[in-house]
Amino acid sequence: GAVVSQHPSRVICKSGTSVKIECRSLDFQATTMFWYRQFPKQSLMLMATSNEGSKATYEQGVEKDKFLINHASLTLSTLTVTSAHPEDSSFYICSAGTRISYNEQFFGPGTRLTVL
Amino acid sequence: AQSVTQLDSQVPVFEEAPVELRCNYSSSVSVYLFWYVQYPNQGLQLLLKYLSGSTLVKGINGFEAEFNKSQTSFHLRKPSVHISDTAEYFCAVSALTGGGNKLTFGTGTQLKVEL
Repeated sequence: GAVVSQHPSRVICKSGTSVKIECRSLDFQATTMFWYRQFPKQSLMLMATSNEGSKATYEQGVEKDKFLINHASLTLSTLTVTSAHPEDSSFYICSAGTRISYNEQFFGPGTRLTVL
Repeated sequence: AQSVTQLDSQVPVFEEAPVELRCNYSSSVSVYLFWYVQYPNQGLQLLLKYLSGSTLVKGINGFEAEFNKSQTSFHLRKPSVHISDTAEYFCAVSALTGGGNKLTFGTGTQLKVEL
């Protein structure tokens, strides 16, 4: 139980294009979803928190116009990196939580974004 | 606010030897505590968690951790490691209330098991 998927697992795009990453909770309803960014050999940096049906809450320093987050249903959240640049290349990980999970988050497998 | 310190960035150990990965936290409120493992190019997998009750928590893959409130620590241990335990390990905390389910992660410890 508590499986979270991400799609795509890897994406390579040209500078200036936009990329959408999907995060799905497969066997439970996720009241809250989180998006993280991880640089090589570093810890996870929380980018934003989203609750179903409401606007995402972004962490300080994260550009909300660049990283668009949509949490349209209890099983799907999307992260769109708009006008991507090489410095946006990173490993993006989503996670999902429920009201009864004692703050535990269930993590997706991650998406490797490379911007050329 | 909470913070997590993992003092050891890398821990090399021989196969079948015991290992301890250290984690200390700081918080003004009560917290839940977690250990996650990350294999290369993968997401995080929960090893174990402390919510309440017994301070010794057993998790998957033979790992266990002990919550020590007075020392604000939650060290991870395994009595005998395998090559397959080579991975990055993250300690994390979450406030019981008011945190909005947010996790605060440590910087991670790379466990390298050698033959």
